Amino acid sequence: EIVMTQSPVTLSVSPGERATLSCRASQSVGSDLAWCQQKPGQAPRLLIYGASNRATGIPARFSGSGSGTEFTLTISSLQSEDFAVYYCQQYNHWPFTFGPGTRVDIK
Amino acid sequence: QVQVVQSGAEVKKPGASVTVSCKASGYTFTGYFVHWVRQAPGQGLEWMGWINFNSGGTNYAQKFQGRVTVTRDTSIGTAYMELSRLRSDDTAVFYCARGGKVGPYTPFDMWGQGTMVTVSS
Repeated sequence: EIVMTQSPVTLSVSPGERATLSCRASQSVGSDLAWCQQKPGQAPRLLIYGASNRATGIPARFSGSGSGTEFTLTISSLQSEDFAVYYCQQYNHWPFTFGPGTRVDIK
Repeated sequence: QVQVVQSGAEVKKPGASVTVSCKASGYTFTGYFVHWVRQAPGQGLEWMGWINFNSGGTNYAQKFQGRVTVTRDTSIGTAYMELSRLRSDDTAVFYCARGGKVGPYTPFDMWGQGTMVTVSS
């Protein structure tokens, strides 16, 4: 099973600042990496797939990069609605696995 | 509106089974893979399994094999997830999510609203 790790656990950011979240896979997943956002009491929402492709309706301030085992999600200028938990997920190997999440909260 | 709609919250006793349903609204699941994901309170996301909605073929995470069964009814465009021999640590929100059409190794692009299952004596 591929183990996904994320850092940091919590990221405190002021509105308008840049946020950079990291995700690492225990073995290569190619570009089969997604990022999703989850707000309290809500279902996850797909933000990025294929490591760098924005899902439908996702604002351009969200961008993804990386391949193999190292990935990054960048939020260029945090808006109030962006404070949430972010999970990375690999869908290259069975079983699909998620990282433990990074919580982005208001500084 | 295109969305995935799940059945409502359930309360079950230990040892019982629960079935959660998942239906596409505004489109159909025809041709898609449908996945199930569990999230315990305050915890992360855990993939349970998938179903190929056309063929009915399934695949489960080893952790859940023997306890989970995913089925579908093509006549009403609904997928089901049954979890048996429930324990208190099965208390969680269960999500279904739409996968891709070209195969199971595709992103989950649309999620249901989640179904809370509480296991308590």
